[in-house]
Amino acid sequence: KNQVEQSPQSLIILEGKNCTLQCNYTVSPFSNLRWYKQDTGRGPVSLTIMTFSENTKSNGRYTATLDADTKQSSLHITASQLSDSASYICVVTSPIFNDMRFGAGTRLTVKP
Amino acid sequence: DTGVSQDPRHKITKRGQNVTFRCDPISEHNRLYWYRQTLGQGPEFLTYFQNEAQLEKSRLLSDRFSAERPKGSFSTLEIQRTEQGDSAMYLCASSLDASGTYNEQFFGPGTRLTVL
Repeated sequence: KNQVEQSPQSLIILEGKNCTLQCNYTVSPFSNLRWYKQDTGRGPVSLTIMTFSENTKSNGRYTATLDADTKQSSLHITASQLSDSASYICVVTSPIFNDMRFGAGTRLTVKP
Repeated sequence: DTGVSQDPRHKITKRGQNVTFRCDPISEHNRLYWYRQTLGQGPEFLTYFQNEAQLEKSRLLSDRFSAERPKGSFSTLEIQRTEQGDSAMYLCASSLDASGTYNEQFFGPGTRLTVL
């Protein structure tokens, strides 16, 4: 079972609307949690990164939240744009692992 | 461009052939990672290097997969006797030493492998 679960698997919204993507994880102990944006055919690009002591982090129209007690994170996108169409991947790092654990991603499509 | 680069961007090969991919990390980064990503899935960790030392290779998918970083700069990933199931995107990432909390990994554009 994957240690990082994302929902929904895919999402279609209209341009200008807001949306929220979810990430639940079981990775423990926990070091930090990242949200990446991956355009089709490209490598992931970091949007936000949070340690266990941070509850929220913003990057322009992207706002990530983290509840380390419930092991849940969300990524909120405000006033969506066509260029937001991409996969959004939640990644959790543990100090034990020498790598990061990736979710399968949420595929977001923004339509005009 | 001072980001992570990968070559080639696309590779089509016949089953049974060997393929080699190259990754050039950001110049001051001493950690280099290889991932595989199949359609609709997140990247899957394969191996990583600290300078020229390969510190984790147990996650390589089979003994047909091998990676090198001979001088601690660029790295190569080789797949021998390719199979159709090897078709995927192969991503490389680099970072500074992992001692810091954030250990930001920067990804390259990937190499798309298609095995016919």
